[in-house]
Amino acid sequence: AQSVTQPDIHITVSEGASLELRCNYSYGATPYLFWYVQSPGQGLQLLLKYFSGDTLVQGIKGFEAEFKRSQSSFNLRKPSVHWSDAAEYFCAVGAHNAGNMLTFGGGTRLMVKP
Amino acid sequence: NAGVMQNPRHLVRRRGQEARLRCSPMKGHSHVYWYRQLPEEGLKFMVYLQKENIIDESGMPKERFSAEFPKEGPSILRIQQVVRGDSAAYFCASSPIAMNEKLFFGSGTQLSVL
Repeated sequence: AQSVTQPDIHITVSEGASLELRCNYSYGATPYLFWYVQSPGQGLQLLLKYFSGDTLVQGIKGFEAEFKRSQSSFNLRKPSVHWSDAAEYFCAVGAHNAGNMLTFGGGTRLMVKP
Repeated sequence: NAGVMQNPRHLVRRRGQEARLRCSPMKGHSHVYWYRQLPEEGLKFMVYLQKENIIDESGMPKERFSAEFPKEGPSILRIQQVVRGDSAAYFCASSPIAMNEKLFFGSGTQLSVL
């Protein structure tokens, strides 16, 4: 069974600073990997996904993530954070034979200081 | 094209009552997934349905919970005899096919059990 760990429950960064949110997964084969963002009281919005190919994937809102098989990681990055990026971020993994049944990490709450 | 619609947004029930959560998938989507988000946790898969059929209910509690997706109308997640531990945000997602990349989430129903 797959699992996802997001080691950082809360992260605070200053506006304009760079950001990296960590995600580690456990899965026996090459997984499908996702990052979602959830603003307060809202549903989940897909930021980016990795299925295959280039291990550096670009997403919306200036986010990118890199799949590192050797480290079982899929960390999310942004070079310059904006105040509107404050939200909760979820990493998720899907299995090739499990349709859309995703396994989510516990989430990282991002706060942005002015 | 409206997104995934969930109603109500907020639902308050007393212990022992029934809760009915509705999910209208995006137009053209015949696959529906229900996830539950407990406070301070990530989303947990509950059930996967495809028009009139339950495909996978491995994440559903064995008692009091049921789901359906009739030929006509929205998908319904039904919780009988609610208890305080059922208080959570319930999210529905839909896709046109059983592939992760086409998965869209609704804004969720926040269930509060008094």
